[in-house]
Amino acid sequence: ILNVEQSPQSLHVQEGDSTNFTCSFPSSNFYALHWYRWETAKSPEALFVMTLNGDEKKKGRISATLNTKEGYSYLYIKGSQPEDSATYLCAFIKNNYGQNFVFGPGTRLSVLP
Amino acid sequence: GAVVSQHPSWVICKSGTSVKIECRSLDFQATTMFWYRQFPKQSLMLMATSNEGSKATYEQGVEKDKFLINHASLTLSTLTVTSAHPEDSSFYICSARTSGRGQFFGPGTRLTVL
Repeated sequence: ILNVEQSPQSLHVQEGDSTNFTCSFPSSNFYALHWYRWETAKSPEALFVMTLNGDEKKKGRISATLNTKEGYSYLYIKGSQPEDSATYLCAFIKNNYGQNFVFGPGTRLSVLP
Repeated sequence: GAVVSQHPSWVICKSGTSVKIECRSLDFQATTMFWYRQFPKQSLMLMATSNEGSKATYEQGVEKDKFLINHASLTLSTLTVTSAHPEDSSFYICSARTSGRGQFFGPGTRLTVL
């Protein structure tokens, strides 16, 4: 059974603070890691698709890094805003077979004004 | 582009009844659709994979006779929870994949079985 973990489970920060959270995944047979942003009552929104060890991707104030050898990815948010409040999910894809995602439980971020 | 809808967004039903959830890709054709469920404080767990015109592939531990999946067209897949019981209460979410464009999720359906 593949185990994908995320920490912390939840996080409360003040507006303007920078924050980061972690996704841990099996380091063997890695194919890709996806990050999603999921607001309540909406569809999960794709943030990043990461495939290469050492990848760093950025989208506005949000960035992510990937270490496939040790099996972790970090998501960073710089200068958090209330609209960043959401659950951030990572999803691990093992090999290319079926493109089946194994999700982590998510990190719920609340940004207080 | 790449919008996936689900209907209904929430449903409450009595124990023993059947509930159908629809998943539609609105602006693209989905070669494959996936059904997930999420119990409180747990991860999204894949239930089954369906390809248009063929039988769904169920994950271990998911009863195919209880969770009927029909993928009748390239834009529609349905999940029917038959004879629902309180333990089936969960959040059900679908995703649709099209080659070369990745996987896109619906907003989910909250099922509560009384």
